[in-house]
Amino acid sequence: AQSVAQPEDQVNVAEGNPLTVKCTYSVSGNPYLFWYVQYPNRGLQFLLKYITGDNLVKGSYGFEAEFNKSQTSFHLKKPSALVSDSALYFCAVRAVSGGYNKLIFGAGTRLAVHP
Amino acid sequence: GAGVSQSPSNKVTEKGKDVELRCDPISGHTALYWYRQSLGQGLEFLIYFQGNSAPDKSGLPSDRFSAERTGGSVSTLTIQRTQQEDSAVYLCASSPEDRPLDTQYFGPGTRLTVL
Repeated sequence: AQSVAQPEDQVNVAEGNPLTVKCTYSVSGNPYLFWYVQYPNRGLQFLLKYITGDNLVKGSYGFEAEFNKSQTSFHLKKPSALVSDSALYFCAVRAVSGGYNKLIFGAGTRLAVHP
Repeated sequence: GAGVSQSPSNKVTEKGKDVELRCDPISGHTALYWYRQSLGQGLEFLIYFQGNSAPDKSGLPSDRFSAERTGGSVSTLTIQRTQQEDSAVYLCASSPEDRPLDTQYFGPGTRLTVL
């Protein structure tokens, strides 16, 4: 079965410090991995994706993610957190089902950046 | 350009009533997806349309749920005889095609409350 795990319900970080939001996955075949962010009362916004190539993927708002095949992980990172980064973050993997493709999401991690 | 739009943004209904939720995908996107986000839970795939192919209905929770996509563009998700457990945010997404590398872009969602 294909799945995504976000082991932390919440991550607390001080403004200016580096942040990491963890994600591990289980998928048969090549993984296609995505990160989305959801601000309060808003839809999901695409941050970045890994398809192939460099293991370090750079995305919007200064975020990046590192693909690690041996650890089946795709952790989201940012060198210096901002208070405005506080939101709900979802990791997702593209899964093939019956010839179609759909996103399987993790449960989400709430990031709280404190001044 | 315009993103994915959904209407209404909020819907309050009484148990047993039928509701219709609308999604306008990004112009030119051939793939359209519906997801449900329940309070305290992640995103749950409901249904997927790709061009003129038969939709993938594997995520629909019961036969009270149905969806159609007219003219390959606008989609309507219908919930018949609503129950309180149907209360959730319903998110629509579209992507250029259905290739694994295609990013899904989400609308702001419709918050459904069943009293």
